[in-house]
Amino acid sequence: QKEVEQNSGPLSVPEGAIASLNCTYSDRGSQSFFWYRQYSGKSPELIMSIYSNGDKEDGRFTAQLNKASQYVSLLIRDSQPSDSATYLCAVNPLGFGNEKLTFGTGTRLTIIP
Amino acid sequence: DAGITQSPRHKVTETGTPVTLRCHQTENHRYMYWYRQDPGHGLRLIHYSYGVKDTDKGEVSDGYSVSRSKTEDFLLTLESATSSQTSVYFCAISEDRGWETQYFGPGTRLLVL
Repeated sequence: QKEVEQNSGPLSVPEGAIASLNCTYSDRGSQSFFWYRQYSGKSPELIMSIYSNGDKEDGRFTAQLNKASQYVSLLIRDSQPSDSATYLCAVNPLGFGNEKLTFGTGTRLTIIP
Repeated sequence: DAGITQSPRHKVTETGTPVTLRCHQTENHRYMYWYRQDPGHGLRLIHYSYGVKDTDKGEVSDGYSVSRSKTEDFLLTLESATSSQTSVYFCAISEDRGWETQYFGPGTRLLVL
């Protein structure tokens, strides 16, 4: 079982709709969770970080964390064509003191105008 | 790209040739990382550094070495390049703790013939 799993997609969502991206992780000790956006041919850029159970909102983006279910998600409201990208989930396994992030393989999102 | 540069940005080399990639940061961040990104595998950690002369291995460190003689520079060396090392290489930095947000450089595309 991979440490961080994401559906590879592609996930197609109509413009203006809500895009829902999901990520599961295997290490129950994980404490830090991140969503990165990566445009084709570019480097990953941070969208959201979340450390506590529940929801965290930033503009059109909402990250949701459920440590009991080992599940983290990213919701994008009012999806725009500029949101078309690959979204990477990253997790810090083994908790604080471990210096490394483990990345999922990413979900490719396409917003259909 | 958060004050991170990588050089070269593109390189074509032949099997058996040594190759050195450079990552330079102007943020004075303590942690620096080298990742490779390949289709179907996502971002995988090669090596990382938690200070000058302090480095450690990641999950795919075989065939790679690193050095950090100054806070701002982190070098990745392929001692004898192989075709399996054809990839996109990303450098990342993190301010204080490795499990905190990582910021990525623009990447280096390496082709080993």
